[in-house]
Amino acid sequence: GNSVTQMEGPVTLSEEAFLTINCTYTATGYPSLFWYVQYPGEGLQLLLKATKADDKGSNKGFEATYRKETTSFHLEKGSVQVSDSAVYFCALSGRNTGNQFYFGTGTSLTVIP
Amino acid sequence: DTGVSQNPRHKITKRGQNVTFRCDPISEHNRLYWYRQTLGQGPEFLTYFQNEAQLEKSRLLSDRFSAERPKGSFSTLEIQRTEQGDSAMYLCASSATQGSTGELFFGEGSRLTVL
Repeated sequence: GNSVTQMEGPVTLSEEAFLTINCTYTATGYPSLFWYVQYPGEGLQLLLKATKADDKGSNKGFEATYRKETTSFHLEKGSVQVSDSAVYFCALSGRNTGNQFYFGTGTSLTVIP
Repeated sequence: DTGVSQNPRHKITKRGQNVTFRCDPISEHNRLYWYRQTLGQGPEFLTYFQNEAQLEKSRLLSDRFSAERPKGSFSTLEIQRTEQGDSAMYLCASSATQGSTGELFFGEGSRLTVL
């Protein structure tokens, strides 16, 4: 079946620290992979995506690389800011998922000044 | 582009009552999704429309849940005979047909509280 597993939270970091949020997936075929972010009081919004193996998605200083050999799509940022405090969701979708999106459970990040 | 709009934003109801949520997707998007999200969990797929056709429905979805998208534009999600376990955030999302890489655009959700 299709599923996404994210590292447990919550994660608390000091400003300018390095961030990694782990995400691994199980899927039939070759799905597209996504990171969505949910800021407090707002809806989910796309942060970045990658559509095939070895692609790197990037946005707002965040990066994630589609690793087929390890079925992973870990999210990284070199220097987090207070404004990055949010819940981050890893997700997959593709033709073999019937165009459904499968989401992880989310990882809450709090960045303190 | 006004984004995906959902209403009401919050509904409090007594057990056994029926509730209906409405979703207005981004106008040019032909795909519309309903998800449910509970505290500490990611969005859980409920159902999906392409234009007015309901193409997929989660096996986890009770018969008390029904969704429609009669003209391929807005959609409604009705829950009959609500139970306390139905308390959750109901999310609507839309996307354009872009093969398997289409981004989902989410509304802010409709929070249901069943007393």
